[in-house]
Amino acid sequence: EVQVVESGGGLVQPGGSLRLSCAASGFTFSSYVMSWVRQAPGKGLEWVSTISTAGGSTYYADSVRGRFTISRDNSENTLYLQMNSLRAEDSAVYYCAKSGGGIVGAVLDFFDYWGQGSLVTVSS
Amino acid sequence: EIVLTQSPGTLSLSPGERATLSCRASQSVSSSYLHWYQQKPGQAPRLLIYGASSRATGIPDRFSGSGSGTDFTLTISRLEPEDFAVYYCQQYDSSPRTFGGGTKVEIK
Repeated sequence: EVQVVESGGGLVQPGGSLRLSCAASGFTFSSYVMSWVRQAPGKGLEWVSTISTAGGSTYYADSVRGRFTISRDNSENTLYLQMNSLRAEDSAVYYCAKSGGGIVGAVLDFFDYWGQGSLVTVSS
Repeated sequence: EIVLTQSPGTLSLSPGERATLSCRASQSVSSSYLHWYQQKPGQAPRLLIYGASSRATGIPDRFSGSGSGTDFTLTISRLEPEDFAVYYCQQYDSSPRTFGGGTKVEIK
């Protein structure tokens, strides 16, 4: 059974940092593109970042580029999101999402499995 | 950036009725790159339809997707109680990936 489980969320002050983790199981982690998607309270879904299978290519939304860093450890089946210079508008539930395929932008690159999310609150 | 506009914002229907949800793109999207998700309160989104018309694993056949170019539709043929939720369309024909604002299907 495919599972992705996020951790690392919490309350942080504006300007602070936080690192989210996503532990994956039930599939060959190194063969799939992985992403982070967030949802502010009561709002819709917003794509945040994507990483290729080997980690050599990364992609970011304009709203987080330069502040967030996505990475992965294929030996540990874990995806990360390092979030720096956090702002109030970054407050959201952050979902780890598995792609349906192994190539960014290919026809199978949709979000076929999602974790339950990790809540990040940026507030003083 | 491709903007996806979903309508209506809220759809009030009774169980057993047909639901038709619209997703309109600000520019043409290849149908291969248009997908639909369902989200229930307090839960993560779930993939329903990929490539505009292919049902994901385990999705009942009362859900169907159609459309091309700038106009796409998700249809639920007969609403079951568990189908009342929010539905999002999403594209990755061009960067960045974008989601529509969602359509809430509520019980009338």
